[in-house]
Amino acid sequence: KNEVEQSPQNLTAQEGEFITINCSYSVGISALHWLQQHPGGGIVSLFMLSSGKKKHGRLIATINIQEKHSSLHITASHPRDSAVYICAVGGGADGLTFGKGTHLIIQP
Amino acid sequence: KAGVTQTPRYLIKTRGQQVTLSCSPISGHRSVSWYQQTPGQGLQFLFEYFSETQRNKGNFPGRFSGRQFSNSRSEMNVSTLELGDSALYLCASARSTPRQETQYFGPGTRLLVL
Repeated sequence: KNEVEQSPQNLTAQEGEFITINCSYSVGISALHWLQQHPGGGIVSLFMLSSGKKKHGRLIATINIQEKHSSLHITASHPRDSAVYICAVGGGADGLTFGKGTHLIIQP
Repeated sequence: KAGVTQTPRYLIKTRGQQVTLSCSPISGHRSVSWYQQTPGQGLQFLFEYFSETQRNKGNFPGRFSGRQFSNSRSEMNVSTLELGDSALYLCASARSTPRQETQYFGPGTRLLVL
């Protein structure tokens, strides 16, 4: 069973700061997902990665398959980026395995 | 294109009762996965259906079951409810393989067991 660790668990930053959230996993995977969950429960899929790097607006996700590590970066952070960011990995018969999430608060 | 819909959105039950939750995937999506989210355990995989067949199952007791219909709509059932079943239940749809494709999540059903 894959173990997924996210860091930090909680992060408070000022508007405009560069944000990095990390995710490590224990077993080789076919893909890694970054999800965003706002208060109220709705989850949005931000990225699905199997190698390299992806960018969407101010969000950048990278993955290092050899190191079993991924990072999610937010440039020019904004209060609307405040949410829980969840890393999830898939590759076996256990469906997706999720990290505990990173609670991000961006203060104006 | 309509998103993933779940009904009901909120539900209150008592211990020992059973409950059925429904999920309608995005049109054209054949895979539906179910997840349970609690403050203590976070998100956990329940099961995945593809073309009316259960493809994978998470580590949950047999009280949790599901099915998928020919139109890809899915239901999950929890029998003999326990207090610990109080959670947000989310379903997500994908074209075929949720582990390797973008999943689209529904708004969830919030279940409270008293």
